[in-house]
Amino acid sequence: QKEVEQNSGPLSVPEGAIASLNCTYSDRVSQSFFWYRQYSGKSPELIMSIYSNGDKEDGRFTAQLNKASQYVSLLIRDSQPSDSATYLCAVNMAGANNLFFGTGTRLTVIP
Amino acid sequence: NAGVTQTPKFRILKIGQSMTLQCAQDMNHNYMYWYRQDPGMGLKLIYYSVGAGITDKGEVPNGYNVSRSTTEDFPLRLELAAPSQTSVYFCASRTYTTDTQYFGPGTRLTVL
Repeated sequence: QKEVEQNSGPLSVPEGAIASLNCTYSDRVSQSFFWYRQYSGKSPELIMSIYSNGDKEDGRFTAQLNKASQYVSLLIRDSQPSDSATYLCAVNMAGANNLFFGTGTRLTVIP
Repeated sequence: NAGVTQTPKFRILKIGQSMTLQCAQDMNHNYMYWYRQDPGMGLKLIYYSVGAGITDKGEVPNGYNVSRSTTEDFPLRLELAAPSQTSVYFCASRTYTTDTQYFGPGTRLTVL
C-alpha cells in the first residue's frame, strides 16, 4: 500500500528557532516530493518541491531528500508566528497520475 | 488569471439531497483533481481527470460522480447526500509537464 507518513504534532517552537518537519514514504521509486502549507480554513499552498537527493534552499525554507532512506524533511529557519500552520508532505508514486498526501504536521510558533 | 475557482464556498444539505460542486481553472491545465479533507486528516483523492472526456476514480469515489466536458471545468456531483460526506472539498489542477498541483479555495459541505 502506498503511504506517506508524518508526525501529526502539534510541534511547538519558539520564535526564531528552527522547526524541523519530517515525512517518510513507502514507494521506493517515487520521483517528486512536495511540501504544502495550509493555514486553518484555507487551501494548501505549495512551499517547496524537491526531486533530487540532498538539500534545496528557498529563503528560510530548506527541503532535504534522502531517497535511500525514503525520507523527506522541511526545515524552517528563524521561525515566525506567521509560519504557524499545518504542513502537508506530498509524494508522487510510481504509475500514479496524482500525489499522495500525508495527514500533515501542525506547527505552532510561540512569540 | 483567476487560477482555480470553486463554488459555492459553503453549503448545508439535508440527507438525500443532491448537489454539484463547481470547479474551474483558467490555466489550460490538463489534469484536474477532487479531494476531500476531513478534520485533522490529509487529503483523500475522490476523482481525477487527465483531460476533457477522461476521468478516473481515486481512493474514495463512492457516492460521487464527475464529468469533464471541457478543459476548464470539472464538476463533482453528490447524488444522495449522506452525513459521511460532510467535509471540505478541494479542487486542484496541474499541467502534464509537472506534478505540482494548484488548489482552489475549497467548498465546506455539511450534510444534516
